[in-house]
Amino acid sequence: AQRVTQPEKLLSVFKGAPVELKCNYSYSGSPELFWYVQYSRQRLQLLLRHISRESIKGFTADLNKGETSFHLKKPFAQEEDSAMYYCALLSGGSNYKLTFGKGTLLTVNP
Amino acid sequence: NAGVTQTPKFRVLKTGQSMTLLCAQDMNHEYMYWYRQDPGMGLRLIHYSVGEGTTAKGEVPDGYNVSRLKKQNFLLGLESAAPSQTSVYFCASTVGAVIEAFFGQGTRLTVV
Repeated sequence: AQRVTQPEKLLSVFKGAPVELKCNYSYSGSPELFWYVQYSRQRLQLLLRHISRESIKGFTADLNKGETSFHLKKPFAQEEDSAMYYCALLSGGSNYKLTFGKGTLLTVNP
Repeated sequence: NAGVTQTPKFRVLKTGQSMTLLCAQDMNHEYMYWYRQDPGMGLRLIHYSVGEGTTAKGEVPDGYNVSRLKKQNFLLGLESAAPSQTSVYFCASTVGAVIEAFFGQGTRLTVV
């Protein structure tokens, strides 16, 4: 069974401070991992995916297979980063099951 | 391009009533998903489909049924609504692996 764990329900930082949102997973195969974001009153949308190794809006995430983690990081948080963040895992093979963690609500204070 | 559209946006049901939520996508996506979002519980997968005519159970399938008769539509049914099914329901679709999933705007369902 696949599982995604986000240990922090709430995370509050000040503007300009570094932020790290934790994500751990369990999956027997080779995982495909994503971070999705939901801004207030908007749809969930993709922030980034591990296979692209990209930086979006200053956020990065590195897949650590040894620690089964995919933490989301940003060196300098901005107020507009305040949102709900979800880590997600897509199973492979012919079973494209997309599972989300419980989410972390990030608040960036001025 | 409408993307993923959910119908209705809001609904109030009485306990025991039935209803169907419709998810429609115009992107020719193979994979479609239904989630419920509850405070503190995040997004939980109800059912999903990997293609027309196929469906599979997710994490919390009890009390729900689904159908994917047409590739563009994924229906979620509640045969006998219960207060525990009060939630915000999201539909998503994706064309395949490692590709972005597109979400609908959500359906807020209240069962009284």
